[in-house]
Amino acid sequence: AQSVAQPEDQVNVAEGNPLTVKCTYSVSGNPYLFWYVQYPNRGLQFLLKYITGDNLVKGSYGFEAEFNKSQTSFHLKKPSALVSDSALYFCAENFGNEKLTFGTGTRLTIIP
Amino acid sequence: DTGVSQDPRHKITKRGQNVTFRCDPISEHNRLYWYRQTLGQGPEFLTYFQNEAQLEKSRLLSDRFSAERPKGSFSTLEIQRTEQGDSAMYLCASSLVGAQSSNQPQHFGDGTRLSIL
Repeated sequence: AQSVAQPEDQVNVAEGNPLTVKCTYSVSGNPYLFWYVQYPNRGLQFLLKYITGDNLVKGSYGFEAEFNKSQTSFHLKKPSALVSDSALYFCAENFGNEKLTFGTGTRLTIIP
Repeated sequence: DTGVSQDPRHKITKRGQNVTFRCDPISEHNRLYWYRQTLGQGPEFLTYFQNEAQLEKSRLLSDRFSAERPKGSFSTLEIQRTEQGDSAMYLCASSLVGAQSSNQPQHFGDGTRLSIL
């Protein structure tokens, strides 16, 4: 079965430091990969997606993600963390215009 | 605001009652999805529509659940004879799918939080 895994439930980063939120996918074929962010009592906000092409994808709010086929990973990164980046982050995949399959989420806390 | 709108935002009801939620997608979007999110988990797919046609239903969608999108615009999700396990956040998302707009991301509403007493 297709799935995405987020191995860390919680990530703490000092403000101003680079951050990484990890995601790996397990699938045959070519999945489309997404990152979403969720603030308390809100829906999910789209950050970025990988469909094809450049392995480094740039998204909203200074986030980027690197697609690595050999490691089946799609880690979310940001060079300098802000306190306002504290939220719940979800990695997801689908096969084009279909239902999304989400990971279990990673709670990112930026420490002032 | 032209995003996905869900109503109500919160619903508290007693076990055994019926509830109905509404989702208004982004106006030009032809795809509409329903997901359920329980505490500490990622959203899980329930069902989706292309215009008014319901194209797929998850096995999570028991026969107590029914969804409609009668005119291809707004959608409703009804749960009959609610159970404690139905307590969750119900999320709606929409996207535009077509020859000129493939691979568009899904845009989510803020959800309806259902609590069963």
